[in-house]
Amino acid sequence: EIVLTQFPGTLSLSPGERATLSCRASQSVSSSNLAWYQQKPGQAPRLLIYAASSRATGIPDRFSGGGSGTDFTLTISRLEPEDFAVYYCQHYVTLPLTFGGGTKVEIK
Amino acid sequence: EVQLLESGGDLVQPGGSLRLSCAVSGFTFSSYGMHWIRQAPGKGLEWVSAINGGGDSTYYADSVKGRFTISRDNSKNTLFLQMNSLRAEDTAVYYCAKRLSGNHPFDYWGQGTLVTVSS
Repeated sequence: EIVLTQFPGTLSLSPGERATLSCRASQSVSSSNLAWYQQKPGQAPRLLIYAASSRATGIPDRFSGGGSGTDFTLTISRLEPEDFAVYYCQHYVTLPLTFGGGTKVEIK
Repeated sequence: EVQLLESGGDLVQPGGSLRLSCAVSGFTFSSYGMHWIRQAPGKGLEWVSAINGGGDSTYYADSVKGRFTISRDNSKNTLFLQMNSLRAEDTAVYYCAKRLSGNHPFDYWGQGTLVTVSS
């Protein structure tokens, strides 16, 4: 099983600032198999990034993903008020599918 | 428009059983594998189970293996999760989700249904 560790657990930032979220895998992961989701309170997760760096349909270009091997990042270039949420990385090919523990991006 | 709608969540005593349903529309249900993912209150996401489009291959997380059974009725566009021998740690919002194929992430999720296991 691939264990994904996200850090930091919480990121306190102001609107307009840049957010950098990290996801580390317990073993090397193909970049094709890594996704990021956003989740707001009371809502289901929403797919943001797949294949480590490809934006899903309708996702603004302020969201970008990168990385390879065991280290991946999600960057939000300039935080908008609607971006304050919890973000999860996911490995999505080999069962069991696994998620990271999440990073909460909160308003400072 | 793709829609997934879970139902069946409830308060149940430890050791009890519950059956969740996920009614889908907007895509050819039988062509896609389906998954259940859960989220305990205030916690992260945990993959629970998956089933292929034909319903003849099923997969489970170790935490539910032997207690939960995933199934589907392609004639009714409905996915199921039969949960037996429920434990307090099964308390969570349960989501059904689909993806394009085994090499894609989840592109559509339901809104979730809450299962509470408590005496």
